[in-house]
Amino acid sequence: EAGVAQSPRYKIIEKRQSVAFWCNPISGHATLYWYQQILGQGPKLLIQFQNNGVVDDSQLPKDRFSAERLKGVDSTLKIQPAKLEDSAVYLCASSLGYGGETQYFGPGTRLLVL
Amino acid sequence: RKEVEQDPGPFNVPEGATVAFNCTYSNSASQSFFWYRQDCRKEPKLLMSVYSSGNEDGRFTAQLNRASQYISLLIRDSKLSDSATYLCVVIGGTSYGKLTFGQGTILTVHP
Repeated sequence: EAGVAQSPRYKIIEKRQSVAFWCNPISGHATLYWYQQILGQGPKLLIQFQNNGVVDDSQLPKDRFSAERLKGVDSTLKIQPAKLEDSAVYLCASSLGYGGETQYFGPGTRLLVL
Repeated sequence: RKEVEQDPGPFNVPEGATVAFNCTYSNSASQSFFWYRQDCRKEPKLLMSVYSSGNEDGRFTAQLNRASQYISLLIRDSKLSDSATYLCVVIGGTSYGKLTFGQGTILTVHP
């Protein structure tokens, strides 16, 4: 079974530039998550989708971050404009159901903002 | 107070040692608890769920104390391959299963 796919794997941009990340969850998984993991910290949930609806975006910096999950399958996360403190690994995860289930993570996108 | 707190370590232990990690959580309505493992520059992967009665998987034992709001992970007979960051994960009292991760505990097992 194919896992969660993410691209790109690495990205280097300058501050104030824009960047977009893509995630394709495991087939059939209803819930998709985007996490931000800063070096030395645990993953922090940015946004959670159930199918194509948002159930939690309370920690998403909405002035610069946006995410969508059209058709309830793959998803994109965008940062516009990027700041130095956005340097982190952005992890996408998916789970089969709607709560309390095992999450399967993609390999992540490593973002460096200069 | 953080929602989920772990001792970041690092823990440096010799092969064969027994090591224990603790994790505390602040939301008494939390429903489910897990330990994830994250290798260096890799994604987190589920290690084991934590049940109220305690559970064991080979050399790993997880326990939950709801009254004191902490969970623990015990690793017996440590192997070099156990070197990783161990993340405590708590699912809060919501209908949609929001996971909150601790900052992780770094374990290094040396020969």
